[in-house]
Amino acid sequence: AQSVSQHNHHVILSEAASLELGCNYSYGGTVNLFWYVQYPGQHLQLLLKYFSGDPLVKGIKGFEAEFIKSKFSFNLRKPSVQWSDTAEYFCAVRGGSYIPTFGRGTSLIVHP
Amino acid sequence: NAGVTQTPKFQVLKTGQSMTLQCAQDMNHEYMSWYRQDPGMGLRLIHYSVGAGITDQGEVPNGYNVSRSTTEDFPLRLLSAAPSQTSVYFCASRTGGDTGELFFGEGSRLTVL
Repeated sequence: AQSVSQHNHHVILSEAASLELGCNYSYGGTVNLFWYVQYPGQHLQLLLKYFSGDPLVKGIKGFEAEFIKSKFSFNLRKPSVQWSDTAEYFCAVRGGSYIPTFGRGTSLIVHP
Repeated sequence: NAGVTQTPKFQVLKTGQSMTLQCAQDMNHEYMSWYRQDPGMGLRLIHYSVGAGITDQGEVPNGYNVSRSTTEDFPLRLLSAAPSQTSVYFCASRTGGDTGELFFGEGSRLTVL
C-alpha cells in the first residue's frame, strides 16, 4: 500500500526566507508525486507534479520539488517566500492505485 | 468551464439524520473520489469510482454510501449522521490513465450536532 509522510506540521517564516517542506513516501514501484496547496478557505490546487523524466520539477508561483528515488523523497522548495504563500501544503503519492494518498499537510505561515 | 461542483457548501445536521452531498464534474473525467479533511489528519479517502457503475471503498468508508450512475455525478450519502462525521468534504476528479492529477471541488462543510 502507498503512504506518505510530511515531517513538518507547522512552519513559520518571515518574508524572503527560504522554504523546504519534507515529504517521504512508501511504495516499492513507480510513483506519481504531487504537491497541492490550500489557501485559507479555499479548495486544493495543484502546485506541481512528477510523473517521469527530470527529477527536478518546477511548478507555479516559483515552487519546485526534487524527486530523489533512493530516499523516497519529494521535498518542496521555494527560495524566497512571500506573505501570500501562507497556506496549507499537501504532498500526495499515487503508486499502484487509481487515487492518490495524501499526507497530513504542513501549515505555513509567512510573516510580512 | 465549471470543473467540479459541490453542493451544499454548508450543512448542519442532527445526529441520526441522513443527507446527500452532491458532486458533479463537466470534464468527462473517468475517476471521481470523495475525501474528508480534518485538522491534523490531512485528506482521507472515503470512496472512489473509476467509471459509471463502479465504486470502491477508500480508507474511511464506514457511515457513507456512494453510487455512480453517470460519468458526471458522484453523490455521497450519509446514512445516519454522527458527530464524528463533522468535517469538510471534498470531491475530486481526474482523467484515467497514469498521468492525470486531481481537480477538487470547493468543499462542503458539514456539522453534525
